[in-house]
Amino acid sequence: EAGVAQSPRYKIIEKRQSVAFWCNPISGHATLYWYQQILGQGPKLLIQFQNNGVVDDSQLPKDRFSAERLKGVDSTLKIQPAKLEDSAVYLCASSLVLAGQETQYFGPGTRLLVL
Amino acid sequence: QQQVKQSPQSLIVQKGGISIINCAYENTAFDYFPWYQQFPGKGPALLIAIRPDVSEKKEGRFTISFNKSAKQFSLHIMDSQPGDSATYFCAASGGTYKYIFGTGTRLKVLA
Repeated sequence: EAGVAQSPRYKIIEKRQSVAFWCNPISGHATLYWYQQILGQGPKLLIQFQNNGVVDDSQLPKDRFSAERLKGVDSTLKIQPAKLEDSAVYLCASSLVLAGQETQYFGPGTRLLVL
Repeated sequence: QQQVKQSPQSLIVQKGGISIINCAYENTAFDYFPWYQQFPGKGPALLIAIRPDVSEKKEGRFTISFNKSAKQFSLHIMDSQPGDSATYFCAASGGTYKYIFGTGTRLKVLA
């Protein structure tokens, strides 16, 4: 079974530029998450999709961040314009619920550095 | 109320020893408590998880102990090995599987 794919793996941009990240979840997984992980901290949920609908985006800075999940499969996360404090690893995860237990599978992440 | 507090921040254990990481939560609506292991440059991977209807769950060398009244849960790694050196995160969720993660514990197991 292929895992969660993310690209690019690394990105360096200057502040005020825009950037986009792509995620391809595990086939058949209805739920997709985007997390922000700042160095030395735990992942922080940015947005949660169920199929192509948004379940939770309460912690997404909507003035600069946007995300979409077209056709309930792939997803993109965009930052425009980027700030220095956006430097972090952006993790995508997808999940499956079986027998009442959810298992979340994470991708390798995209490491973003904003200069 | 949405926080999950994790301790210690870092831990050094001798090979063969027991590693213990603790987490505490406030929100009684949480009903699912997973632990994740993360190696450098990789995404977190689910290790073991527990629901509040049991007080302990064991999978191989990994055990979760859960104290519902104290709102605390802990991860025990028995016979710790150098390959267990990683960062460990506890998490909590409820309802729609929205996860709140702890701040992480960096474990180093000395050979």
